[in-house]
Amino acid sequence: AQKVTQAQTEISVVEKEDVTLDCVYETRDTTYYLFWYKQPPSGELVFLIRRNSFDEQNEISGRYSWNFQKSTSSFNFTITASQVVDSAVYFCALSEATDMRFGAGTRLTVKP
Amino acid sequence: NAGVTQTPKFRILKIGQSMTLQCTQDMNHNYMYWYRQDPGMGLKLIYYSVGAGITDKGEVPNGYNVSRSTTEDFPLRLELAAPSQTSVYFCASSYSSQVEEQYFGPGTRLTVT
Repeated sequence: AQKVTQAQTEISVVEKEDVTLDCVYETRDTTYYLFWYKQPPSGELVFLIRRNSFDEQNEISGRYSWNFQKSTSSFNFTITASQVVDSAVYFCALSEATDMRFGAGTRLTVKP
Repeated sequence: NAGVTQTPKFRILKIGQSMTLQCTQDMNHNYMYWYRQDPGMGLKLIYYSVGAGITDKGEVPNGYNVSRSTTEDFPLRLELAAPSQTSVYFCASSYSSQVEEQYFGPGTRLTVT
């Protein structure tokens, strides 16, 4: 069965520090998709990125970057030069054909 | 474009009561989903629908029912509320599959006492 593990329950950093959020997944399928969502204090989930299992290229979007490694079943998320507005709960998720499984989330607090 | 809307935002139920959580999307998305989020946990899929008239169970369907009579609406029904159903409920939608970006509503915080 598919499973997503976010071992870091809470992370606290000071503004401008870099921070990496870990995500490890398990699946038996060869075709699957990985996601990151952000849940700010307002509560609504916001999509950040989707990656399919055949595309291992790393991606950078502004201060955000993602490192996908099939060899270690990991899809880690790095925020460079963190800001207070990055404070949120971040969820990693895995989707096969008919199901979506979320990790338990990592609560990131960025202090000024 | 309102996106995905949910009502109510908050609700307190007594054990054994029933209620319907409403969800509407105006993006003409085919797929719709209901999740629950318990404290400190990720989201768990309750039910999903791939189009009007078609629904299927997710990971945690017990105690819930859904219907999908139109593309826009996907209500979630709790028939006999139990304390274990205290949670935050999110409705989401995506255009044509479960492997696309999902758009989430603001959530409904439900307490059963």
